[in-house]
Amino acid sequence: AQKVTQAQTEISVVEKEDVTLDCVYETRDTTYYLFWYKQPPSGELVFLIRRNSFDEQNEISGRYSWNFQKSTSSFNFTITASQVVDSAVYFCALSSWGKLQFGAGTQVVVTP
Amino acid sequence: DSGVTQTPKHLITATGQRVTLRCSPRSGDLSVYWYQQSLDQGLQFLIQYYNGEERAKGNILERFSAQQFPDLHSELNLSSLELGDSALYFCASSRGVQDTQYFGPGTRLTVL
Repeated sequence: AQKVTQAQTEISVVEKEDVTLDCVYETRDTTYYLFWYKQPPSGELVFLIRRNSFDEQNEISGRYSWNFQKSTSSFNFTITASQVVDSAVYFCALSSWGKLQFGAGTQVVVTP
Repeated sequence: DSGVTQTPKHLITATGQRVTLRCSPRSGDLSVYWYQQSLDQGLQFLIQYYNGEERAKGNILERFSAQQFPDLHSELNLSSLELGDSALYFCASSRGVQDTQYFGPGTRLTVL
């Protein structure tokens, strides 16, 4: 069975601080995909990033970066220089055969 | 805007009733997914369709059913509603079964 764990329930930061969200996953599949989605207070789910199990290269996209480590089954996500608009719930998700298995989410609160 | 549309946005109904939620996928997407988001269960996968055929089932109750039509839109039918069915129901779509899923704005169902 697949499982995604986001141990951090809530993170509060002051604007311009960096925020790192932890995600640990479990799967027996050799091919799988990892995602981060954002759910702002308005409620919609917004796709942020996707990584496949064969690509451990870590990247930076604007203020977002991620650290995928297969050896520790972790897929952490960092927001650099946070802004108030980053306040949202962030979900890590795992997919092998289409369906997404979500973590419980981490609430990020950015105050001015 | 993800390009996935869902109607209605809000739905308030009584226990024992039946409702239908509608989803139109992004143009060109063949796969449609339904998810339920509740406070106690988090984000849960319900069911997936690909090009009109059911592809995968999650923890979908027998009182719930879905279908994908030839024009690729999908409907989720919820019957004999209970208070515990109150939740946010998301539809997502993707090109193929392993591609990134883009979510609609959701339908908030309240059962009184």
